[in-house]
Amino acid sequence: GAVVSQHPSRVICKSGTSVKIECRSLDFQATTMFWYRQFPKKSLMLMATSNEGSKATYEQGVEKDKFLINHASLTLSTLTVTSAHPEDSSFYICSASRSYSYNEQFFGPGTRLTVL
Amino acid sequence: SQKIEQNSEALNIQEGKTATLTCNYTNYSPAYLQWYRQDPGRGPVFLLLIRENEKEKRKERLKVTFDTTLKQSLFHITASQPADSATYLCALAGNQFYFGTGTSLTVIP
Repeated sequence: GAVVSQHPSRVICKSGTSVKIECRSLDFQATTMFWYRQFPKKSLMLMATSNEGSKATYEQGVEKDKFLINHASLTLSTLTVTSAHPEDSSFYICSASRSYSYNEQFFGPGTRLTVL
Repeated sequence: SQKIEQNSEALNIQEGKTATLTCNYTNYSPAYLQWYRQDPGRGPVFLLLIRENEKEKRKERLKVTFDTTLKQSLFHITASQPADSATYLCALAGNQFYFGTGTSLTVIP
């Protein structure tokens, strides 16, 4: 149990385009979903926290207009990187939790975004 | 600002020995601390959670300690196996959530 999927696993796009990444909890209802980004050999940086049906809470320094998060249901959250630039290239990972806290997060496999 | 440090970026140990990983933090008082395992190109996998009022937690070959006075957590893997080779991340949780930088563990057969 507690499986989280992400789609796509890899995406390459041109600078200026927008990319949508999906995060799904396959066998449980996720009260909270989190989005992280990870640079090579660096730790995960929390970008935002979202609860179903409400606006995402963004961490300091994360542009909400750049990284649009939609949490449409208890099993689906999407992250849209708008007008992507090469510096947005990174590994984006989502996680899902059954609670409203940071307790026991189940992580997706990640999405490798490369912006040319 | 908060700072989380995990001992040496890389740790190599012989199979069968006990691996001990350290997580030190400053400028933060977490309500609980978590340990995760991450394999290359994959998302982290939750291993253990220990609360601020708990001293020690065990799960199979894993043991975690939490010293809020020293602001330190130790993560032990006993009878280590090559399959334990991965990056291990500590994470602090309270009002906010922070991951440590990770320690890459290699268990040598």
